[in-house]
Amino acid sequence: SQKIEQNSEALNIQEGKTATLTCNYTNYSPAYLQWYRQDPGRGPVFLLLIRENEKEKRKERLKVTFDTTLKQSLFHITASQPADSATYLCALPMNNNAGNMLTFGGGTRLMVKP
Amino acid sequence: DAGITQSPRHKVTETGTPVTLRCHQTENHRYMYWYRQDPGHGLRLIHYSYGVKDTDKGEVSDGYSVSRSKTEDFLLTLESATSSQTSVYFCAISEGRYEQYFGPGTRLTVT
Repeated sequence: SQKIEQNSEALNIQEGKTATLTCNYTNYSPAYLQWYRQDPGRGPVFLLLIRENEKEKRKERLKVTFDTTLKQSLFHITASQPADSATYLCALPMNNNAGNMLTFGGGTRLMVKP
Repeated sequence: DAGITQSPRHKVTETGTPVTLRCHQTENHRYMYWYRQDPGHGLRLIHYSYGVKDTDKGEVSDGYSVSRSKTEDFLLTLESATSSQTSVYFCAISEGRYEQYFGPGTRLTVT
């Protein structure tokens, strides 16, 4: 069956460093992958989408890579700030299609210490 | 929250009672979704809608029904609530494929 794995342990880093979060998947050949941010008590917020034919995508201090051979996406936050502390979720389209239904990973909590 | 409201925001109900959660959007987006979020399971899709009166099941639809009579409203009904349906429920919307915009969530406790 299809499975998405994100490190369930919190990632603690020092302010100013680069945070790198991992999303691994199995039994998928997704047309795209998305990353969301979720703060406690709030709904997820869309950050970035990367398509299968894109190796890398950037948005301000965020960078996402997508390796379809390794079945892995890496999410980087450069020059991290305490305000970046949140849980980050990756999401893939269900059942390998390019449609609307998403399957989410369990998320990784990032803590940026001043 | 991208013009999405959910009501109620918190609800405590007893096992066996019916419960309806409402999602309202002001964005005129075509697609609407209901998810539940539980520790250890992440976000899971319950039902979604791809237009007025057009709905389909997600991965955890048992015990839930939905209705969409207007573009802006998507209702989630628990016909007979059970303790296993204690969760945080999120509504989301999207215009086409790809990014989804989430509401603030409803915390439901079934005692």
